[in-house]
Amino acid sequence: EIVLTQSPGTLSLSPGERATLSCRASQSVSRNNLVWYQQKPGQAPRLLIYGASNRATGIPDRFSGSGSGTDFTLTVSRLEPEDFAVYYCQQYDTSPWTFGQGTKVEIK
Amino acid sequence: QVQLQESGPGLVKPSETLSLTCTVSGGSISNNYWSWIRQPPGKGLEWVGSVYSSGTTNYNPSLKSRVTMSVDTSKNQFSLKLNSVTAADTAVYYCARSSGYFLYWGQGTLVTASS
Repeated sequence: EIVLTQSPGTLSLSPGERATLSCRASQSVSRNNLVWYQQKPGQAPRLLIYGASNRATGIPDRFSGSGSGTDFTLTVSRLEPEDFAVYYCQQYDTSPWTFGQGTKVEIK
Repeated sequence: QVQLQESGPGLVKPSETLSLTCTVSGGSISNNYWSWIRQPPGKGLEWVGSVYSSGTTNYNPSLKSRVTMSVDTSKNQFSLKLNSVTAADTAVYYCARSSGYFLYWGQGTLVTASS
C-alpha cells in the first residue's frame, strides 16, 4: 500500500502567517490522485483540494495545493482564525486508499 | 445537497459484530460508490472499504476478513458489518460518498467495543 507521511506533525503559527504542509508518498501517486482535507474537533473532514491542486467548491483561494509524483504540498497563504485545525492528505491512486497521519496547525 | 447519516449501536461487546447503517438523502444511492472511514479517538483516518450501488465491494486488506458492506437501493441506505470486534475497533465511524476521495461525509458515530 502507499504510505503517506505528513510533516511537520504540528505547526505553530500566528494568524496572518503562511502555512506550508508537506505530504510525501512511499511510491509515485500517478494522475495526481491526491487530496487534502481539513478537520476541526468534533467534525467530519472537509475536502479542500482534489487532484493535488484543484480547490473544492467553496474553498477560499488562500488554500492551494501543488506537487506531483511523491511530493505534495498544501499552502495556506494567510492563516485566518478558522484555519487552525488538523489537515490530512489522502491518495486514491492505488487501493487501499490511504491517509497521512495529519498535521495540526495550532495558534502560536 | 447530498446528506449522509450514520445509525447503529454505540456500544458493542468484544468478539461480537458491529453493525452500522448510513442513510443517504438529497440524492440517489444509485450509480455511486459509498464508503466507510473510521477514526480512533485522538488518531488519524482509516479507509475501511467501499461499495458500489450494484453491490460490488472493495475492502481494506487489513480488515477484509472481518468486513461486509451492502447496499439497499430501495431504502437509499448502505451498511457496514465488522465481526469479531476488539477494543482496537473503537472509533468514530464515518460514511461518505466516494469517487476515490470523499466529498460528502456523515457526521460520524462513535462505536465503543467494550464489555
